[in-house]
This record gives sequence, C-alpha cells and structure tokens, in this order.
Amino acid sequence: NAGVTQTPKFQVLKTGQSMTLQCAQDMNHNSMYWYRQDPGMGLRLIYYSASEGTTDKGEVPNGYNVSRLNKREFSLRLESAAPSQTSVYFCASSERGRGETQYFGPGTRLLVL
Amino acid sequence: QKEVEQNSGPLSVPEGAIASLNCTYSDRGSQSFFWYRQYSGKSPELIMFIYSNGDKEDGRFTAQLNKASQYVSLLIRDSQPSDSATYLCAVPNSGGSNYKLTFGKGTLLTVNP
Repeated sequence: NAGVTQTPKFQVLKTGQSMTLQCAQDMNHNSMYWYRQDPGMGLRLIYYSASEGTTDKGEVPNGYNVSRLNKREFSLRLESAAPSQTSVYFCASSERGRGETQYFGPGTRLLVL
Repeated sequence: QKEVEQNSGPLSVPEGAIASLNCTYSDRGSQSFFWYRQYSGKSPELIMFIYSNGDKEDGRFTAQLNKASQYVSLLIRDSQPSDSATYLCAVPNSGGSNYKLTFGKGTLLTVNP
C-alpha cells in the first residue's frame, strides 16, 4: 500500500516548455487535490476533483490544467511553464472529500528557468 | 475567502517543555479542524483532528477547540528535538465547497536539546 505517489520527484524546465505531473493513489479515495507550496505563502489549492469525472478550480488555477484519468490518477499539466510556477507541488487525496483528512504525496520540486 | 491564521514563528522551546501552537479561522460554519506536521523537505502528515469543542488528547499531543472564539490550538507536551517541524492548521470550507481545506501558513517549531 503505497498511499499517494507522485512523479517526477524533481524537474527543471525552461520557460515555455510543457510538462505533466502525475499522481496516483491506491487507497480507493474519491477526492484528489493539487497544491503548490511556496515560501511564505503556505499551501495553495490549484485544482481538485471531488469524484471521478469532475474537476474544479481552486485558489490559483491560472496556467494549469488537470485530468482525472480514473479513480486512482489525477494529473496536473503546465502548458507553457513560467518562472512564477517554480514551486513544490503536492498531490493529496481523501476518502469522500467533505471535511475529511487529506493524505499527501511526497511532492514534486519544479524549477522553471 | 476563508482565512486561517497562524503565528509564523519560529517558536523555540527547550527539550521537555510544552509547545503551544495557535490557529484562528474565519469560517464560523467549519466543523472539523486538522493539524499537520511538515518536516523540512517533506510532505505534510496528519497528526491530529478535532470535531468537538474542548480537548482531544493523543499521546503527547492535545488539540483544543473553541468554536465560539474560532480558535484551535495544539499542545505538545515533553517536546523532543524530533518535534522540530512546521505545524500547519487546516480548516475545511463549510457549505457546498467543503471539499477544500484552507491551510494556515504554518508555525515553525524548534525544540532545543
């Protein structure tokens, strides 16, 4: 039981390049989330998926897209990376979402030059 | 915008002392409250949650909730150097968007041997 896994662990991009961050959970959770964490800003929600087949914007969605591929997988895509997207990205999941504990993956460190 | 406020610290305590971490929140409808611990370079991990007014104890950790004052705290008794980390308070949004957790920016705790 791996919990929440994320790939890659670390990535360097040039401005304008695209990439997809992958997230998978094996806890049969319904809800999944993408956060970014920046120094002094705390954790900020980018997008979330309350259940398979649905996605919604969080606090900072601009510049990102998501896909809930199936119940296990939730990916985050940067179409044209910008230096402002340099951050640590965390994926999380929760069983039913409503007011429940979220479990986090190990994170992806992204540097955009 | 729901708000969760924490003192950023750093909070420094000697080994064996009680560390007290505080959090206030703006959403009066919130029903559950979470404390996460985040070691440097790692992902957040849940250490406590509390739903009811009063105290909840789990080992050396005690969460205290006062809904009237919109205040939740975390006490760590017999603090150990291994408790040195950033502690994040998280509050679910009430109402239709309560899939989301709003996180405070965290309090950095240092326990000195």
